[in-house]
Amino acid sequence: EAGVVQSPRYKIIEKKQPVAFWCNPISGHNTLYWYRQNLGQGPELLIRYENEEAVDDSQLPKDRFSAERLKGVDSTLKIQPAELGDSAVYLCASTLRTSGYNEQFFGPGTRLTVL
Amino acid sequence: AQTVTQSQPEMSVQEAETVTLSCTYDTSENNYYLFWYKQPPSRQMILVIRQEAYKQQNATENRFSVNFQKAAKSFSLKISDSQLGDTAMYFCAFMKGTGAGSYQLTFGKGTKLSVIP
Repeated sequence: EAGVVQSPRYKIIEKKQPVAFWCNPISGHNTLYWYRQNLGQGPELLIRYENEEAVDDSQLPKDRFSAERLKGVDSTLKIQPAELGDSAVYLCASTLRTSGYNEQFFGPGTRLTVL
Repeated sequence: AQTVTQSQPEMSVQEAETVTLSCTYDTSENNYYLFWYKQPPSRQMILVIRQEAYKQQNATENRFSVNFQKAAKSFSLKISDSQLGDTAMYFCAFMKGTGAGSYQLTFGKGTKLSVIP
């Protein structure tokens, strides 16, 4: 079974430019997460989707970040315009959310460098 | 809010030796999970081991075991017979068991482990 797929793996842009990241979760997983991992830190949750609904976006900087998960499958995270401080690894994770504990499976991430 | 602290930014161990990574956490919750994740240089985060707070028995997964001290809010990872493939960043993480935010992982800053041949 394929894991969580993310693209691109690396992206270098100049500040003020837009950028988008794509994530395809494990087939059948209804819950999708976007995390940001700054250098030397652990991942921090940006947004969580249950199917196509964003049920927790409290930590998403909404002035410049947006996300969508059309049809409740793959998802796109966008930054417009990018700032120097947005340089980080953006991780996508998915799970099949049922009652009790559900393991989150992570993708390889997209490393964003803003110059 | 929960916090997770890993006080060892970097560690090294000789191949075939044993190493212990430390983690402490702070929470007022009684029902929660604790995890150790491994992130190799390729960056894909992999779950190493999980511990349910209500279980007194420490979790083990082959060469990996934990020392869970609930009263002390301590959760260390022991890697036995270290292998070169164990070289990675290791993150300790917390998740509430029920209620609001029960899906959310809170990570520590990580410990970079190097296994030396």
